[in-house]
Amino acid sequence: QSALTQTRSVSGSPGQSVTISCTGTRNDIGGYNYVSWYHQHPGRAPSLVIYDVTKRPSGVPDRFSGSKSGNTASLTISGLQADDDGDYYCSSYAGYGQVFGEGTKLTVL
Amino acid sequence: QVQLQESGPGLVKASETLSLTCIVSGDSITRNWWSWVRQSAGKGLEWIGRADTSGATNYNPSLKSRVSVSLDVARSQFSLKVNSVTAADTAIYYCARDGTRSAPWHMDVWGQGTTVTVS
Repeated sequence: QSALTQTRSVSGSPGQSVTISCTGTRNDIGGYNYVSWYHQHPGRAPSLVIYDVTKRPSGVPDRFSGSKSGNTASLTISGLQADDDGDYYCSSYAGYGQVFGEGTKLTVL
Repeated sequence: QVQLQESGPGLVKASETLSLTCIVSGDSITRNWWSWVRQSAGKGLEWIGRADTSGATNYNPSLKSRVSVSLDVARSQFSLKVNSVTAADTAIYYCARDGTRSAPWHMDVWGQGTTVTVS
């Protein structure tokens, strides 16, 4: 049950776009369309920003978008804002339950 | 507005059982799965397991032999038990509302988290 692989850190200036990738295997990301993305500010609980690869929960702006190709899922944040900084975790169904990625720290410069 | 609140002892002795409860308000506990997730200091998220009102459960294979998740519909709460704890079980524990039959694998509402230290 290895964690999904994410880029350790990314950064961007306000208004720019960034993409965070999440790589798994055919047994998780590649095998199911159940990829989710969570945003976590330091000291706070995670919050859901994308589910089922591309769907946005109510209240999440359309600046957040998700996609998947093969065993790799991606989260793109456009029009970066200061409040977008923090940690982002991908998650995928893996046949028995959910496995998280290692996390990516997003810094808004 | 759905709210989840974890409760339980903040300190547990090694080899004993960790027990946490999550009270659900603002939603029926019958429609969703309900999950537990933990996060060790400075580390990433680890999914522990989940249950629904039918009694069905799913667990992380790495923890399956030591954990159980159960629901109490009458009290609108769900619980986590972790047996034979060690220092490696020290973490912030979050409860979360998980998926439904139509969208089964994502956690859209989270509790604030409760810190558990194993001494």
